[in-house]
Formats: sequence, C-alpha cells, structure tokens
Amino acid sequence: DVKVTQSSRYLVKRTGEKVFLECVQDMDHENMFWYRQDPGLGLRLIYFSYDVKMKEKGDIPEGYSVSREKKERFSLILESASTNQTSMYLCASRPGQYNQPQHFGDGTRLSIL
Amino acid sequence: AQRVTQPEKLLSVFKGAPVELKCNYSYSGSPELFWYVQYSRQRLQLLLRHISRESIKGFTADLNKGETSFHLKKPFAQEEDSAMYYCALIISGAGSYQLTFGKGTKLSVIP
Repeated sequence: DVKVTQSSRYLVKRTGEKVFLECVQDMDHENMFWYRQDPGLGLRLIYFSYDVKMKEKGDIPEGYSVSREKKERFSLILESASTNQTSMYLCASRPGQYNQPQHFGDGTRLSIL
Repeated sequence: AQRVTQPEKLLSVFKGAPVELKCNYSYSGSPELFWYVQYSRQRLQLLLRHISRESIKGFTADLNKGETSFHLKKPFAQEEDSAMYYCALIISGAGSYQLTFGKGTKLSVIP
C-alpha cells in the first residue's frame, strides 16, 4: 500500500516566519505534488515535481517555494508566512506512468497567527 | 483549458435514498476521470476511475462523452457515505501531466 507521510498534522506559526512542510513517500514515485485545500475552493495546486531537482509551478505558487533533493521527499516552503496562508496542505505522489492516479497524505493544518 | 465543475457544494439525502453527485468537465480530447472521497478526519483517497468501470462501496460512475459528464451514483445511501467527494480530470501524454479537481460536494446522509 502506498504511504505518503506528512511530517506534521497540525502546525502553528507566526507571521513572517519561514515555514517548512515535509512530505515523504515510500513507493519510489516520480511525481509529487503540493495542494492547499480551502472550504468552497476545493484543492488548488501549488507546485509539483516530475523528478528529483525538477519543479513546476501550479495554479497558486505565489508566496511558496519547493525543494526536491531526493526522490522520496518533497518540501514546501513558505518564505515569509502570512495569515492568508492559513490552510490545510495536502501532499500527493504518483508513478510517472500514463494516467496513474495520485495518492495523498493525511494533510497538515497550518495556522499562521 | 480543462475545467471540472461540481455544481452542488452540499447534497443532503436520507438513508436508503438514491444518490447522484454531479460532475461535468470541459476538455476536447479523451479524458481520464476519477472520483476521490475524503471522510471526516481522513486522507483524500481514490474512490474509482472511469476506465476500470468498477463499483466501489456501491458507487458507480459512467463517463458520458456526449454530455461531458461523470456523475457518481449509488442506489441506496448509507450513513457512512457522508463525506466530501471530489471529481478529478487527468490529462497526460508524452512529458506532460495535468490533474484538475472540482471544488467538491459534501454529501450528508440523514439517518
């Protein structure tokens, strides 16, 4: 069974802090994704990565960056956290093969005070 | 650009009643469509995909290319079906991949 693990379920940070959200998958998947989930807005893609050291902007990349130094780990970075980044963050991974679905982690509920 | 529309934010049905969660998409090619479900305090998980044409937990979904729809149906709703449901469209090819989610429908099954 695919395991996508997000390092924290709940996180509280202050405005202006640099925040790291970590995600690890154990299935040697090529592709990894970061979404934020907000009521009424569904899931919105922040960034994704096709492979190690590769990254692509999603629909809402502003205020975020990512790092993929190893295949199994995909980090989301909030350079200077703001209150409008309070949200549920979901990590997902998938194999690189054609039309394979994504597998999701449990999510990190991030509150910026 | 492709788009996925779930017209209902909230759907309430009585236990034992039929359920239909609507999903419409806009894409000119051949889509791959999925339904994801998120139960309370659980991770988002794949429910079913159109190419497998299977029934999972009593749910089915048929791709209707003429109506560009992929509605999720169940003949008799159960309380444990209460959850958030997302329709998703995947387009992939040589060197590209794009997944678009609908905004979700919250299903509430009333005992």
